[in-house]
Amino acid sequence: DGGITQSPKYLFRKEGQNVTLSCEQNLNHDAMYWYRQDPGQGLRLIYYSQIVNDFQKGDIAEGYSVSREKKESFPLTVTSAQKNPTAFYLCASSIGTEARQPQHFGDGTRLSIL
Amino acid sequence: AQSVTQLGSHVSVSEGALVLLRCNYSSSVPPYLFWYVQYPNQGLQLLLKYTTGATLVKGINGFEAEFKKSETSFHLTKPSAHMSDAAEYFCAVKGSNYKLTFGKGTLLTVNP
Repeated sequence: DGGITQSPKYLFRKEGQNVTLSCEQNLNHDAMYWYRQDPGQGLRLIYYSQIVNDFQKGDIAEGYSVSREKKESFPLTVTSAQKNPTAFYLCASSIGTEARQPQHFGDGTRLSIL
Repeated sequence: AQSVTQLGSHVSVSEGALVLLRCNYSSSVPPYLFWYVQYPNQGLQLLLKYTTGATLVKGINGFEAEFKKSETSFHLTKPSAHMSDAAEYFCAVKGSNYKLTFGKGTLLTVNP
């Protein structure tokens, strides 16, 4: 079945450590997104990518980095510069970035600080 | 600019009762509107969407929503709640481009 796979499901970060969250999709979608979810805050956009080798900052990109070397993969790195990384991270994809296209989500990665 | 307001962060209903989750939006262009559902520790699942055409949109699991331009609303309803409907629900709006703006969510509790 086609879908979006995020791994790991749970991740723990030590102080000063960078960690990378994986997102893979087999939907043949061009656009991919990373969101951060905090309780009572809804979802906030971190980064998005419309095509391979291109990505743009979202609303809260500071302390995060991404790459898009392959159409199906869009990993997110949470760097040590992100001072409050504890959150639920959701990856999404869509056929394109036209407004009418819905976004489809993975099952998320929960990141905690040790 | 666009925004979404979900009225009520927590709604509680009895099993078999009507479910009504409220969503109001603002958008400078004709909006595209979406409702998503999230079960604990899972991602978001698309319930339904309004793009153009019929203003009453039917989705999965018996949910529907009506786009009312004059009221800038897109409320989600289900005639009879089931225990399995307990989850968090998010309303979202898009304007003319990729950007999907979410409301803060409404947690639905269904009591036996």
